[in-house]
Amino acid sequence: GAVVSQHPSRVICKSGTSVKIECRSLDFQATTMFWYRQFPKQSLMLMATSNEGSKATYEQGVEKDKFLINHASLTLSTLTVTSAHPEDSSFYICSAERTGFQPQHFGDGTRLSIL
Amino acid sequence: GQQLNQSPQSMFIQEGEDVSMNCTSSSIFNTWLWYKQDPGEGPVLLIALYKAGELTSNGRLTAQFGITRKDSFLNISASIPSDVGIYFCAGSYTGANSKLTFGKGITLSVRP
Repeated sequence: GAVVSQHPSRVICKSGTSVKIECRSLDFQATTMFWYRQFPKQSLMLMATSNEGSKATYEQGVEKDKFLINHASLTLSTLTVTSAHPEDSSFYICSAERTGFQPQHFGDGTRLSIL
Repeated sequence: GQQLNQSPQSMFIQEGEDVSMNCTSSSIFNTWLWYKQDPGEGPVLLIALYKAGELTSNGRLTAQFGITRKDSFLNISASIPSDVGIYFCAGSYTGANSKLTFGKGITLSVRP
């Protein structure tokens, strides 16, 4: 149980393109989902907390207009990187938390490369 | 932001050896979690700890929630090549704001 699916696993696109990443909890309902960014050889950096049916809470320094988050159902959250530039290239990982229960379970990540 | 302290950054052991990893914090947590991450993949939950002093096992892995609530350790016994990876500790407070604070991770290498 506690399977989190993230899609796509890898994206390569041109600068200026907007990219959407999906995060799904396959076998449980997730009131809260989290979006992280990870640079090579570094730990996970929380970008935002996504709550079903409400606006996401962004961490300090993360541009909410750049990284649009939608959590329309208890099993799906999406992260859209708008007008992506090479500095947005990174490994993006989502996690989901069962309603009222820890721990977070992570997706397999999305490797985003902006040319 | 705040981070948990994990050191050393890398560990090298021989197959069959036991290894212990520690994680410390200046703040107390209500939950301690241990994750393993393989290259190009997301972290996989190994063990979750919810109570000070709790000792929990998962196969060859054993983890403990420190009595002060400011530390945790993970032991891996009889290591095998597939134990290679990055091990992260993470702490959180239960409740509405359940954000995780991560350690920097320890890269474990196992020599056959």
